Amino acid sequence: GDSVTQTEGLVTLTEGLPVMLNCTYQSTYSPFLFWYVQHLNEAPKLLLKSFTDNKRPEHQGFHATLHKSSSSFHLQKSSAQLSDSALYYCALSDNAGAKLTFGGGTRLTVRP
Amino acid sequence: DMKVTQMPRYLIKRMGENVLLECGQDMSHETMYWYRQDPGLGLQLIYISYDVDSNSEGDIPKGYRVSRKKREHFSLILDSAKTNQTSVYFCASSLTGSQNTLYFGAGTRLSVL
Repeated sequence: GDSVTQTEGLVTLTEGLPVMLNCTYQSTYSPFLFWYVQHLNEAPKLLLKSFTDNKRPEHQGFHATLHKSSSSFHLQKSSAQLSDSALYYCALSDNAGAKLTFGGGTRLTVRP
Repeated sequence: DMKVTQMPRYLIKRMGENVLLECGQDMSHETMYWYRQDPGLGLQLIYISYDVDSNSEGDIPKGYRVSRKKREHFSLILDSAKTNQTSVYFCASSLTGSQNTLYFGAGTRLSVL
């Protein structure tokens, strides 16, 4: 079945440094990939998702590139902000339906 | 205002008691979901509902059942709750289709003692 792996459970950065959160996946089909973000005591919400036409999605300074050759969809940002501290989930959706499979999540903490 | 509402937000039950978690959405979304969130395991799909009375098991359905009698409401039922069902439960909804965004409720924190 489909699976998503986020290798880092916890990432701590200093404000201003670049962010890269890893996401790799396994899928029988050519899936759609998503990043969801969950701030403390809030609901998860969509941060960005892959496009069918290979455009690079961007939102709030974050971007991710879908690399089918390496089955990866890493999340990046050039300069971390304190407000980026949150739990980040990578997820995939197969082409057959609406089922979304999530990775284990990466908790990002940005320090001053 | 697009919203997914979960009730209750916090719940404490004793082992063996029945639990009902309720979810509503005002976006007329066909598809609704129940996930549980546990540290290190992420969000695990319990059940998915494609419309009224059209429910399918997710990855961890054992010990749970669901009910969807109206498009806007989706309930999760735990018959005889167990301590390992202590978790945070999230309801979500979306339009049907693999590219569509999930909208999550605020979650219900359930403790089974």
